[in-house]
Amino acid sequence: QQQVKQSPQSLIVQKGGISIINCAYENTAFDYFPWYQQFPGKGPALLIAIRPDVSEKKEGRFTISFNKSAKQFSLHIMDSQPGDSATYFCAASTGTASKLTFGTGTRLQVTL
Amino acid sequence: GAVVSQHPSRVICKSGTSVKIECRSLDFQATTMFWYRQFPKQSLMLMATSNEGSKATYEQGVEKDKFLINHASLTLSTLTVTSAHPEDSSFYICSALGGLGTDTQYFGPGTRLTVL
Repeated sequence: QQQVKQSPQSLIVQKGGISIINCAYENTAFDYFPWYQQFPGKGPALLIAIRPDVSEKKEGRFTISFNKSAKQFSLHIMDSQPGDSATYFCAASTGTASKLTFGTGTRLQVTL
Repeated sequence: GAVVSQHPSRVICKSGTSVKIECRSLDFQATTMFWYRQFPKQSLMLMATSNEGSKATYEQGVEKDKFLINHASLTLSTLTVTSAHPEDSSFYICSALGGLGTDTQYFGPGTRLTVL
């Protein structure tokens, strides 16, 4: 019930391409869905987050698409750059100040 | 804004000793902080939720007597790994909620603990 399933486990994209990472959840009480980017040896950094009342949110090259009925959300990275090579985690939580449930992570490699 | 620091960034200790890790919110007050553990190439595993002025809430399977958490002020939480053993070697990361009524967690840079 608390799981957040993330796919793919790893992803290789050419520079300039679109990177797409998907997450699915079961708990309909989740109401906050952030994405984090983590570089090796560093802590996760918040990229972008969405709530269920909107279907899409865009910040620069990063877009979250949210499908409430399918209980799925995805991260799209447009014009992917080598500097985007990192591990990306989706997460979800219920209510304010609630603990996050993380996906398993996606290792993205952007090649030249 | 919303910067979280951790100290030390890396620590090596002998088996049986205790190690304290500090987590500070530098430019905001955090009534709630979280402590995570991360193994190589794995996701973050929540260990405990730390609330200022009260006892921490530990996740199932986490030994509260081994991982002591103290949240004595609105900007500082500490994790003490007591009687450390090699299996406690891991990457420990804290996060802080960005303020009252917010869902956003800001993460620290992590602490690499190696127990010899």
